[in-house]
Order: sequence, then structure tokens, then C-alpha cells
Amino acid sequence: AQSVTQLGSHVSVSEGALVLLRCNYSSSVPPYLFWYVQYPNQGLQLLLKYTTGATLVKGINGFEAEFKKSETSFHLTKPSAHMSDAAEYFCAVSDLLTDYKLSFGAGTTVTVRA
Amino acid sequence: DTAVSQTPKYLVTQMGNDKSIKCEQNLGHDTMYWYKQDSKKFLKIMFSYNNKELIINETVPNRFSPKSPDKAHLNLHINSLELGDSAVYFCASSQREGAGANVLTFGAGSRLTVL
Repeated sequence: AQSVTQLGSHVSVSEGALVLLRCNYSSSVPPYLFWYVQYPNQGLQLLLKYTTGATLVKGINGFEAEFKKSETSFHLTKPSAHMSDAAEYFCAVSDLLTDYKLSFGAGTTVTVRA
Repeated sequence: DTAVSQTPKYLVTQMGNDKSIKCEQNLGHDTMYWYKQDSKKFLKIMFSYNNKELIINETVPNRFSPKSPDKAHLNLHINSLELGDSAVYFCASSQREGAGANVLTFGAGSRLTVL
């Protein structure tokens, strides 16, 4: 069965600092990996996804993530945090065996200090 | 135009009552979902329909019953509400791009509070 582990339930960064959110997955077949962001009192929106091909994936709002098969990881980064990045971030995985089913990690809350 | 719209946004009710949450998507997607987000923000899939056919039915009490009258609508009916049902319920939709690569579009959520 597929699963996702997000390391760190809460990350606090200074404005302008690097944002690094960690995600490790388990899947018995090649995974499809996603990062979603949830702003307060809103639904989730897609930041980026990896399906096949280039392992460094760029998303919206300056975020990017790198798929590392050897480490079973899909960490999310942003070089310079902005106040508007304060939100909840979810890593998610699906695969061929679970065609329609997206499994989410527990989420990481990002706060940005001025 | 809201892509995935849920109503109501907030719902406060007493234990034992029956309530429904409605969801509509105007994206032309063929698959719709209900997710439950608990107080710790953990998201868990409940149901999924593809072209009105139930394809995912997770371990959910049978007090929860989804209904999809057409592929643009997926409603959630909950009978005999319990305190533990308090959560935010998210509707989502997707168009199957290829096995496993579905990108979900979420609604804004419906916060259910059971007193």
C-alpha cells in the first residue's frame, strides 16, 4: 500500500529564508507525487506534481520539488519565503495500483516571521 | 465562476440529526470525491465516483451515503450525526489523465459542527 510521511508538522522560517518541507513516500510501483497547499479556510490547490520524466519539478509561486527514487523522497523547496507562503502544505502520492486514490501526508504548517 | 462549489459552507447541528452537503463541479471532470479533514488537518478519502459509478468506498460508517445524480454532482448525506462527525468535508473532482496521475480540484470545504 502507498503512504506518505511528512517530516515536521510545523516549520517556521524568516521572510526571505529558504523553505524546505520534507516528504517521503512508500509505493510498490512507480509513484505519482503531488504537493498541495491549503490557505486558511480554503480548499487545497495544486502546487506541483511529478508523474514521469524530469525529476526536478517546478510549480507555482516559486516552489519546486525533486523526486529522488533512491531516497524515496519528494521534498519541496522555495529559495526565499514570502509572508503569503504561510499555509498548510500536503504531500500526496498515488500510483498505477491505486488509480483514483490519492493518499495525503499529515501536512506541514508553515509560518513566516517578518 | 467557482470550479467546485460546495454548500453549505458552515453547518451546525445537533447529535442525531440528518444532514446533507451538496457539491457541483463545472469543469467537465468525470470523477468526484469526498474527503474528510479532521481537527488535526489529516485528510482522508471517503468516496469517489467516476461517471456516476462508485469506485472508492473507504471504511466509512454506513450512516454516510454519497449520491451522484450526474457526473457534475456528488452529494453527501449523513444520518444520525455523532460528535465525531465534526470535521471539514471537502469535495473534489478530477479528469483522468492517465492512471494515477489525476490532479484534484478541491472545493472550499464544508465545516460541520455537531453539538
